[in-house]
Amino acid sequence: GAVVSQHPSWVICKSGTSVKIECRSLDFQATTMFWYRQFPKQSLMLMATSNEGSKATYEQGVEKDKFLINHASLTLSTLTVTSAHPEDSSFYICSAPPTGDSGNTIYFGEGSWLTVV
Amino acid sequence: GQNIDQPTEMTATEGAIVQINCTYQTSGFNGLFWYQQHAGEAPTFLSYNVLDGLEEKGRFSSFLSRSKGYSYLLLKELQMKDSASYLCAVWSSASKIIFGSGTRLSIRP
Repeated sequence: GAVVSQHPSWVICKSGTSVKIECRSLDFQATTMFWYRQFPKQSLMLMATSNEGSKATYEQGVEKDKFLINHASLTLSTLTVTSAHPEDSSFYICSAPPTGDSGNTIYFGEGSWLTVV
Repeated sequence: GQNIDQPTEMTATEGAIVQINCTYQTSGFNGLFWYQQHAGEAPTFLSYNVLDGLEEKGRFSSFLSRSKGYSYLLLKELQMKDSASYLCAVWSSASKIIFGSGTRLSIRP
């Protein structure tokens, strides 16, 4: 079945630095990818929708300049957290929406735990 | 606006049955998903409903009423490993998948 691979799984970075998280669709083409953030004991909050070949669509309240999203190809979407601060520490996860190839299932990446110290 | 509501926490007994409700108000509707998520892990797919009615899959069943904006997930013969968060998500017409706040289910022996 369709698989989305996300890495790194865990990352610790210093405050003020940038971190890039990658999501790859391994056996299907994803023109769209969703990026979510999840704080402990909370649900998945949609941050933005990345679109291959065009600008990402950000949800209200999400800073475009802080969370840079690039969808350079049909199999790769990246989220870069710029100038990270401790409050950005969270679980970030990507997902590909249902397509004809994946049926009616949302396929999630494994998720990335970001800790900013 | 978009709104998806589900209870924050529920507790049930091993071997029993529990029903987790979800109500939604979204701009358009392309289907409703239920996902299970254990702490620190990615969500795993449980069910997808796009037509009204009950979908049964082993110990788990999911029901949808589009006219009422309502769904429930029914878990039978509860096991300790069913302790997890259960996420209701709606695929809206804007091609967005919006998640509810999740229901933390605790199973007691």
